[in-house]
Amino acid sequence: GQNIDQPTEMTATEGAIVQINCTYQTSGFNGLFWYQQHAGEAPTFLSYNVLDGLEEKGRFSSFLSRSKGYSYLLLKELQMKDSASYLCAVRDSTDSWGKFQFGAGTQVVVTP
Amino acid sequence: ETGVTQSPTHLIKTRGQQVTLRCSSQSGHNTVSWYQQALGQGPQFIFQYYREEENGRGNFPPRFSGLQFPNYSSELNVNALELDDSALYLCASSLSGTTSGRYTDTQYFGPGTRLTVL
Repeated sequence: GQNIDQPTEMTATEGAIVQINCTYQTSGFNGLFWYQQHAGEAPTFLSYNVLDGLEEKGRFSSFLSRSKGYSYLLLKELQMKDSASYLCAVRDSTDSWGKFQFGAGTQVVVTP
Repeated sequence: ETGVTQSPTHLIKTRGQQVTLRCSSQSGHNTVSWYQQALGQGPQFIFQYYREEENGRGNFPPRFSGLQFPNYSSELNVNALELDDSALYLCASSLSGTTSGRYTDTQYFGPGTRLTVL
């Protein structure tokens, strides 16, 4: 089985930086994904890590440490439109073709 | 826009009824996964279809069933609806294959179907 933990909510000011942590315990690991989900909408893909280290995509960066079962998503230069839920998902390699397990999501609130 | 479509957008049913939700995958994708997302929670994996066969299932009872068609589109069927089945149902499209072992690539979600059971 898997446990994926992330904070429930974080608040930050426009222009600031926020780091969303995700810890996981898995029987098999084959990649970690971050998705953004605005209220009432579908999740949209942000980033993917399968090897240790930092992946940067514009204002968003994601880090992975497989030995620690830990990842974070870094959002820089926050904008009001970044207010959303951020989902951490682990692809489990032990189950068939790689089942995706999602955390409950971190609600990020960006204030003026 | 992911190119993944779902229908209907919203649906209201009563307890005991049956429902069918539909999903069309993104062009070039051969795998569809279905998720249930309750309010304030992350998506919960229901099952995955690859080449018209179920190849992974989450902790959902048999009254949740599915199909995948030769064009890779898919249906989710839920029988004997219960109040707790009220949720957003998401389908995700991806590419699966075998290189050095089996894999499923990044999943791209459709807009979802909001199901309300009264």
